[in-house]
Amino acid sequence: SQQGEEDPQALSIQEGENATMNCSYKTSINNLQWYRQNSGRGLVHLILIRSNEREKHSGRLRVTLDTSKKSSSLLITASRAADTASYFCAPYNNNDMRFGAGTRLTVKP
Amino acid sequence: GAVVSQHPSWVICKSGTSVKIECRSLDFQATTMFWYRQFPKQSLMLMATSNEGSKATYEQGVEKDKFLINHASLTLSTLTVTSAHPEDSSFYICSASPPTGGLGYTFGSGTRLTVV
Repeated sequence: SQQGEEDPQALSIQEGENATMNCSYKTSINNLQWYRQNSGRGLVHLILIRSNEREKHSGRLRVTLDTSKKSSSLLITASRAADTASYFCAPYNNNDMRFGAGTRLTVKP
Repeated sequence: GAVVSQHPSWVICKSGTSVKIECRSLDFQATTMFWYRQFPKQSLMLMATSNEGSKATYEQGVEKDKFLINHASLTLSTLTVTSAHPEDSSFYICSASPPTGGLGYTFGSGTRLTVV
């Protein structure tokens, strides 16, 4: 399946620090998407990186993709307390998109 | 931007009753919608893929007679939990494929179902 697996499961940092989350998957993809979920809420799309892209930026977010290693990383720079949430990667291929367990990020003020 | 409205946001029902959850794409047409189930502190589990005008495709282990999905129009998909049991209590989230040229899927805000 296209399920992504995030690492670490939980991450706790101080405000202002950078947070890096990793994602691995097992099959080929068209693209890989990162989502954020606040507790008990729906998911918010953060960024999409296509299979032919290696790096993408959006504001304080930086995503990398290594298709040879079937891995991706999400970097949040200059973190804020409001960034506290769960982050999920979703490898996507042919209308099939599944989520891993996510990384629970806690940013302490 | 693309918005998906999911209703209700929470519902409490008695065992044996049925509950319908609606997922609407408000400003775009969604040919494909997905239904997920999420247990506390766990990931989203894909239950089924719903295509407008055709039968939903259910994932292995998901009872299609229990979780009825209808996608009768390009802006509305519904999930009906039939003969609900306490173990059906969960957080249900829908998402819609992006409109043409859009990136990323849009998710509803979820429905917290509690069966008592």
